[in-house]
Amino acid sequence: QAGLTQPPSVSKALRQTATLTCTGNRNNVGDQGAAWLQQRQGHPPKLLSDRNNNRPSGISERFSASRSENTASLTITGLQPEDDADYYCSAWDSSLYAWVFGGGTRLAVL
Amino acid sequence: QVQLVESGGGVVQPGESLRLSCAVSGFTFSSFSMHWVRQAPGKGLEWVAVILYEGIHFRGSEYYGDSVKGRFTISRDRSRNILYLQMTSLRTEDTALYYCVRETNTPLGAFDGWGQGTLVTVSP
Repeated sequence: QAGLTQPPSVSKALRQTATLTCTGNRNNVGDQGAAWLQQRQGHPPKLLSDRNNNRPSGISERFSASRSENTASLTITGLQPEDDADYYCSAWDSSLYAWVFGGGTRLAVL
Repeated sequence: QVQLVESGGGVVQPGESLRLSCAVSGFTFSSFSMHWVRQAPGKGLEWVAVILYEGIHFRGSEYYGDSVKGRFTISRDRSRNILYLQMTSLRTEDTALYYCVRETNTPLGAFDGWGQGTLVTVSP
């Protein structure tokens, strides 16, 4: 099944802003949006933003999600050392009747 | 709080079968769609299967990723609050950490609860 497209890696300095992208098509991201997950080394993923771009309780306001047509974005402001992690987007594909993930973006906070 | 505890992983040979279990607590199990998601060593996330929540008028349906369709079966035992993944005809490419995942019960669901995972290794 075709997945979503994410850049493999992004590097940013401490306290800067990072914007991660996730590109799909009109059957997945363009249809019902994408959710964002963070996975730190050795840990299971954690939900950062749902497909309505809402943050679950307990997620920092430094994380914000948005969507423009078939591309979803996650913006992280004031980068902290603990933001150094892998970030995945996920979406339901209404033509495949399957969930799809992006390949993940490794965010390095320098 | 939401707890998901997987078990049943291990080392098997190609062609063999294995059943994974996920014991859940802290929420009404039948009201949520539940998934299995896997992650091969050093790789990204791959969706495996979903069993939909059980509504008033319908039994939860199941859907599968292309790579496991016809070989894996997802099911749940509501009386015991356990999610299962029956895996048959295992292949080396099925080697991965298998996560049990809860989907939010909102119109546009997302994966809001994850277990620690159980490791499946398929090796000759």
